[in-house]
Amino acid sequence: GAGVSQTPSNKVTEKGKYVELRCDPISGHTALYWYRQSLGQGPEFLIYFQGTGAADDSGLPNDRFFAVRPEGSVSTLKIQRTERGDSAVYLCASSLAPSGVNTGELFFGEGSRLTVL
Amino acid sequence: DAKTTQPNSMESNEEEPVHLPCNHSTISGTDYIHWYRQLPSQGPEYVIHGLTSNVNNRMASLAIAEDRKSSTLILHRATLRDAAVYYCIISNQAGTALIFGKGTTLSVSS
Repeated sequence: GAGVSQTPSNKVTEKGKYVELRCDPISGHTALYWYRQSLGQGPEFLIYFQGTGAADDSGLPNDRFFAVRPEGSVSTLKIQRTERGDSAVYLCASSLAPSGVNTGELFFGEGSRLTVL
Repeated sequence: DAKTTQPNSMESNEEEPVHLPCNHSTISGTDYIHWYRQLPSQGPEYVIHGLTSNVNNRMASLAIAEDRKSSTLILHRATLRDAAVYYCIISNQAGTALIFGKGTTLSVSS
């Protein structure tokens, strides 16, 4: 069946460039999450959308990071002026209900690996 | 969110049961206990979750201590495909994101 789809699967860019990462959630899932994961670490929360609005963006590390979900489905994570420290796997997840409640099982994509040279 | 403590790594042999512990001494009454696992080069996947009672599903069992300050994920017969990082996560509010720690890296030998 159709799971969470993330594109591109790999992205190599140069320091200072702009990058967009796309997430297609499971159809009908209203909640969408972005995480990033560095080698040897657990996923680090970035931002959570409920519908079109960002319900919690407390994990965004600085103002170079921005995410949108204009129609409540596809989401784009945007990173401006990339730095080498932004290199990581960026994971997207979606769920029918918010993750803190009983039925809020998260379904993750396989991630977009970003390498900043 | 309540903090969790898990061993960094554990080892098991194929076909044997595995008990993965998690301490969450600051858990509150309405917090859920979630377990996810992450296979190499994949995103995390849901394993099981519970509130107070023990839970069973096709993947695993979750045993929750009576005081809820700890829980154990039980894989009844480990297979090589169960080698992964297992994350124990406590959530305390509807609508908040799950916060992952470093988890336990489970190795399974044949």
